Amino acid sequence: GNSVTQMEGPVTLSEEAFLTINCTYTATGYPSLFWYVQYPGEGLQLLLKATKADDKGSNKGFEATYRKETTSFHLEKGSVQVSDSAVYFCALLNTGGFKTIFGAGTRLFVKA
Amino acid sequence: SAVISQKPSRDICQRGTSLTIQCQVDSQVTMMFWYRQQPGQSLTLIATANQGSEATYESGFVIDKFPISRPNLTFSTLTVSNMSPEDSSIYLCSVSTTSGRALGSYEQFFGPGTRLTVL
Repeated sequence: GNSVTQMEGPVTLSEEAFLTINCTYTATGYPSLFWYVQYPGEGLQLLLKATKADDKGSNKGFEATYRKETTSFHLEKGSVQVSDSAVYFCALLNTGGFKTIFGAGTRLFVKA
Repeated sequence: SAVISQKPSRDICQRGTSLTIQCQVDSQVTMMFWYRQQPGQSLTLIATANQGSEATYESGFVIDKFPISRPNLTFSTLTVSNMSPEDSSIYLCSVSTTSGRALGSYEQFFGPGTRLTVL
């Protein structure tokens, strides 16, 4: 079946450090891939997405590239800020758009 | 896109009681879902709410505990029945729509969630 695996947290970085959160997936067909972010005490927000192989999603300085050959969708940001502290969820939406499968989430702490 | 609202936004309930959560979407959608996010955990799909027929439940979730209604294409309710402290979670309504930019491309939107605490 479909599944998403992302790196365990928490991840603790200093401000302006480079961020990578790894995400790999298992899916049949051609899923769409997403990164969602959940700030403390808030709901789930879509951060970025990619709908086909080699697509790059980007938003707020974050990027992720849909790599079909490695079944990966790693999240990167060149310089994190304290305000990026949140939980990040990698997810896939299977072909047909029936339901989203979420990874376990990775908590990011950014220190000033 | 789709804008989703949920009511209530939060509630504190006593053990053994039931709570019904409402989900309203600003447009007609075919696919509607209910998720649960337990404290510190990821999101788990409870069921797909089907318009005009019984909901489709995921493994580990049953209709007697989480009855769902879907009277039309813009509205659904989830009831958490006979609650216990283990039901304390955020419950999220979600819809899936075609993004329109590419054939077979879908997007999923989430409501703000209902934060439930059971004492």
